[in-house]
Amino acid sequence: EPEVTQTPSHQVTQMGQEVILRCVPISNHLYFYWYRQILGQKVEFLVSFYNNEISEKSEIFDDQFSVERPDGSNFTLKIRSTKLEDSAMYFCASRLQVLETQYFGPGTRLLVL
Amino acid sequence: GIQVEQSPPDLILQEGANSTLRCNFSDSVNNLQWFHQNPWGQLINLFYIPSGTKQNGRLSATTVATERYSLLYISSSQTTDSGVYFCAVGTNAGKSTFGDGTTLTVKP
Repeated sequence: EPEVTQTPSHQVTQMGQEVILRCVPISNHLYFYWYRQILGQKVEFLVSFYNNEISEKSEIFDDQFSVERPDGSNFTLKIRSTKLEDSAMYFCASRLQVLETQYFGPGTRLLVL
Repeated sequence: GIQVEQSPPDLILQEGANSTLRCNFSDSVNNLQWFHQNPWGQLINLFYIPSGTKQNGRLSATTVATERYSLLYISSSQTTDSGVYFCAVGTNAGKSTFGDGTTLTVKP
């Protein structure tokens, strides 16, 4: 069964450093998402992406964050200058059509020191 | 934005018992999913159920969209069912809003 993949599974970085989290959505899907989950809390929406542009973003998704779909298969989340509070599990998700299941990747656990 | 409330927040069961988890939402939705978060943090999709009833083995779910709630039933619970169960709702292809989850502990 097709699945969403994410790399790396874990990343440790120093505060102020840039990180890029990578996702490969399911190949024919059209809608892409990033979510995050701070340890012990619920999953929060960051951004959605469709037709090569951001369709919606949350208040969390400030100027430090950006997303790209550089080559038609990868979908990346960049954090320009990480903060301690960016430490979380980041999930990528994709969906084929409007009223269908959203498939989640296994997540990248980011630790900012 | 839409509010999602899950109950109970915590549930402890003996192996073999049945349970019902509830998800209430504050506005009309046409996307609703139930997830199980395993000990490694992965979100395992259980059901996509914006309306109606579905069953998969020992698990079943019912959503009554007009009354803005969904129920997840777990029968004959096993220790491997332990973890956090999330309900996530949304409209069309927009974002999903997650509830706070129900933490289920099944004791042998």
